[in-house]
Amino acid sequence: SSELTQDPAVSVALGQTVRITCQGDSLRSYSVSWYQQKPGQAPVLVMYGKDNRPSGIPDRFSGSSSGNTASLIITGAQAGDEADYYCNSRDSSGNLVVFGGGTKVTVL
Amino acid sequence: EVQLVETGGAVIQSGGSLRLSCAASGFTFKPYTMHWVRQAPGKGLEWVSLIRGNGGGIVYADSVRGRFTISRDNSKNSLYLQMNSLRTEDTALYYCVKEHISGWPTFDHWGQGTLVTVSS
Repeated sequence: SSELTQDPAVSVALGQTVRITCQGDSLRSYSVSWYQQKPGQAPVLVMYGKDNRPSGIPDRFSGSSSGNTASLIITGAQAGDEADYYCNSRDSSGNLVVFGGGTKVTVL
Repeated sequence: EVQLVETGGAVIQSGGSLRLSCAASGFTFKPYTMHWVRQAPGKGLEWVSLIRGNGGGIVYADSVRGRFTISRDNSKNSLYLQMNSLRTEDTALYYCVKEHISGWPTFDHWGQGTLVTVSS
């Protein structure tokens, strides 16, 4: 089982806002990164640290973190945002990398 | 443009060995920590191992420690994963991953993966 917990699936209406959460005790000490993975493709980094977007990632993606919970927020979701989203961070010991189980985002 | 190209995946019997390779290009390889991450068919991402730029600081996931060995050759801009005593649960797409300059575990470039299938 993962030390980072994500909801398995969420849905959002086109153009609306969706929050994807990642929970884990290690998030009180270590930062989180977020990845988007579309079917048949490799993951793509979409957010890291508190609220840092790599170049090329639209500004409708934002991040936040409080206590043991980190969130990836998509404001104005587009059909192209439909994908699996994974969070990752360090484990509680700080020595290993852990991934959340992933959240499947469906845009209605 | 950063490119990571994995090779070496195959169908192999349980208990066997396999060596994966990753050829890196488009960036200065030596300073960067590199990782292997795997994904079983239809499942989520699982981190496997990391190696620092100088070849030290090696860390393994509990699930592979003692069976897998990560290494790199900076003169060839290459990353490797020697996998021994393979089990059916090692069946996965194995990604070669570059760490972001901000540090781990932020991964800013991924290869397309190489498929390892372990049969019983």
